[in-house]
Amino acid sequence: DVKVTQSSRYLVKRTGEKVFLECVQDMDHENMFWYRQDPGLGLRLIYFSYDVKMKEKGDIPEGYSVSREKKERFSLILESASTNQTSMYLCASSLSASGSSYEQYFGPGTRLTVT
Amino acid sequence: AQTVTQSQPEMSVQEAETVTLSCTYDTSESDYYLFWYKQPPSRQMILVIRQEAYKQQNATENRFSVNFQKAAKSFSLKISDSQLGDAAMYFCAYRVNFGNEKLTFGTGTRLTIIP
Repeated sequence: DVKVTQSSRYLVKRTGEKVFLECVQDMDHENMFWYRQDPGLGLRLIYFSYDVKMKEKGDIPEGYSVSREKKERFSLILESASTNQTSMYLCASSLSASGSSYEQYFGPGTRLTVT
Repeated sequence: AQTVTQSQPEMSVQEAETVTLSCTYDTSESDYYLFWYKQPPSRQMILVIRQEAYKQQNATENRFSVNFQKAAKSFSLKISDSQLGDAAMYFCAYRVNFGNEKLTFGTGTRLTIIP
């Protein structure tokens, strides 16, 4: 079974802190994604990566950065956390093959509260 | 830009009955995939069912089936013989076939099962 794990289920940080959210997948997937989930807004893509050291902006990248130094690990970084970044963060991974509908596998999520 | 609309924020159904969740989407592409994902309370998001746009036949997975109307850009999910374990948030999602692997999600429908 594919496993996507996230470093924390719950996290509380103060405004201005630098925050790292870690995601690890164990199935050698090329693609990895970071979403934020807010009530009434669904899931919105922050960043994704299709290879080591490669990244692309999603729909809401402002205030975030990412790092992918190893294939299995994809980190989301909040350089200076703000209260409007309080949210549920979901990581996902998928195989990559042009023309194939490989599903995305999701982690359990990290509920981040910024005070 | 592609958009996915779920117009029912909440739905409820009696156990053992049938319920249909609605989803419409907007795209200028002709080759794409559509998905329904399920997010149970405090549990990971999982894929329920997928549909390739080039296939006319509606996808079915056990008690879950879709009604895919390509011309109308409609993709509804029917759950038959509803069970307590079906209680969850359901998200409709879209992905273009070739190109990037990004998913666009709807805002979700919270399904409650009444015993």
